[in-house]
Amino acid sequence: DADVTQTPRNRITKTGKRIMLECSQTKGHDRMYWYRQDPGLGLRLIYYSFDVKDINKGEISDGYSVSRQAQAKFSLSLESAIPNQTALYFCATSVGSGGLKETQYFGPGTRLLVL
Amino acid sequence: AQKITQTQPGMFVQEKEAVTLDCTYDTSDQSYGLFWYKQPSSGEMIFLIYQGSYDEQNATEGRYSLNFQKARKSANLVISASQLGDSAMYFCAMWVNDMRFGAGTRLTVKP
Repeated sequence: DADVTQTPRNRITKTGKRIMLECSQTKGHDRMYWYRQDPGLGLRLIYYSFDVKDINKGEISDGYSVSRQAQAKFSLSLESAIPNQTALYFCATSVGSGGLKETQYFGPGTRLLVL
Repeated sequence: AQKITQTQPGMFVQEKEAVTLDCTYDTSDQSYGLFWYKQPSSGEMIFLIYQGSYDEQNATEGRYSLNFQKARKSANLVISASQLGDSAMYFCAMWVNDMRFGAGTRLTVKP
C-alpha cells in the first residue's frame, strides 16, 4: 500500500462549488504539505502543518483552506472553486527537524479541473 | 526571500552519456537544504538526492551526484550513464523554513 494517499485522484467541478481534497499517510510523519503544480511553474506551496495544532500559509494560500484532522490526515478545501485553480495538487509529508529529515514524500497527486 | 532557478526548460542527452541539470538558488540563510526530485510522465514525485548547506562533500546516490558550489550558489544535478528511463521532469528544491521548487527541466534521453 502507498505511504501517502490522495483522494480523489481526478475531479471535475464547476465554478463556485466547494470541494475537498483529502490526504492520508501511514509514514508516521508529523509534517504535511499541500502543493499545486502548474505547467512551467513547478510546485508552489499552498499550506503546511508541522503538527496537528500547527497550520501555516504557504506561497499561494488565497482561495484555499486546510484542516489537520489527525497526525495522518490533512485536507485541502477550495471554498468557491474558480477556473484558474485547475491544476495538479500534491500532498507531501516529512519527518522534519532539519537536514535530510526535511525530505518530502509525495502522494500520487489529484488532477482538478474547474469548469 | 528564497528563490530557486532552473534555466534549462529542456535538455537532450544520448543514452549512456552524462548530463548536468543546472540549479541556482538564492537565500540569505546560512542553514538550508537542497533537494532534487524526478517526475516521470506518470506524475509521481520521486526524491533523488539531498545536499546540506554545511556538507563539505558533494552528495552522491548511485548514478546521481550533486555538484554543490556554495560560493556560486549552485546545486547542479549530474546523471551519469543516462538511461531511457531517466527521461522525466527534474525539479530542484530548497528548504529554509519551507520548501521552494524551481520550474523544472524536462530531460529526454535519446536511444
